[in-house]
Amino acid sequence: TQLLEQSPQFLSIQEGENLTVYCNSSSVFSSLQWYRQEPGEGPVLLVTVVTGGEVKKLKRLTFQFGDARKDSSLHITAAQPGDTGLYLCAGDGGGYQKVTFGTGTKLQVIP
Amino acid sequence: DVKVTQSSRYLVKRTGEKVFLECVQDMDHENMFWYRQDPGLGLRLIYFSYDVKMKEKGDIPEGYSVSREKKERFSLILESASTNQTSMYLCASSVISNTGELFFGEGSRLTVL
Repeated sequence: TQLLEQSPQFLSIQEGENLTVYCNSSSVFSSLQWYRQEPGEGPVLLVTVVTGGEVKKLKRLTFQFGDARKDSSLHITAAQPGDTGLYLCAGDGGGYQKVTFGTGTKLQVIP
Repeated sequence: DVKVTQSSRYLVKRTGEKVFLECVQDMDHENMFWYRQDPGLGLRLIYFSYDVKMKEKGDIPEGYSVSREKKERFSLILESASTNQTSMYLCASSVISNTGELFFGEGSRLTVL
């Protein structure tokens, strides 16, 4: 079973601060997704990265896939209260898209 | 907009009861999945289906069964609910692709007393 470890598990920051969330594995993934989940809701896809070394930007969010396709990071610039939620990384190892999820990073942005 | 709809947002059942959780997607996706989400354990795959009447066990299938009679509908069945099945259940669907992107429903929070 492929494992994905996320760090930190919890993060509480002030509005306007920057933060980085990490997603690490010893396995190689063909692609990696980041999701955000708000309380009482299902996860919503933010981005997919496919190529080793790839960097994608989504407004204030920057996603990077490691060169070896084993790890990824999510950087948020000038965090806002609307960024509050559970951030999940998920790796696709191939084969009927059996996706492995990380345990998540719970982010709270205080106004 | 893509839509995955789960039939019940909140359920309370008693130990030993049979529980049905239904999921419908309107995106004509081939793949459908059932996960459970527990604090500290993340999302764990229970069952998935890549075609009508096809099903595959995920990582934690014990105590669960599934049914996929139509492409758009995937049901999770707890034959005899137990307290350790109290959890948030998430249905998801995806199209066959190289990237495995999932579209989730809003979740069904099940409490077994």
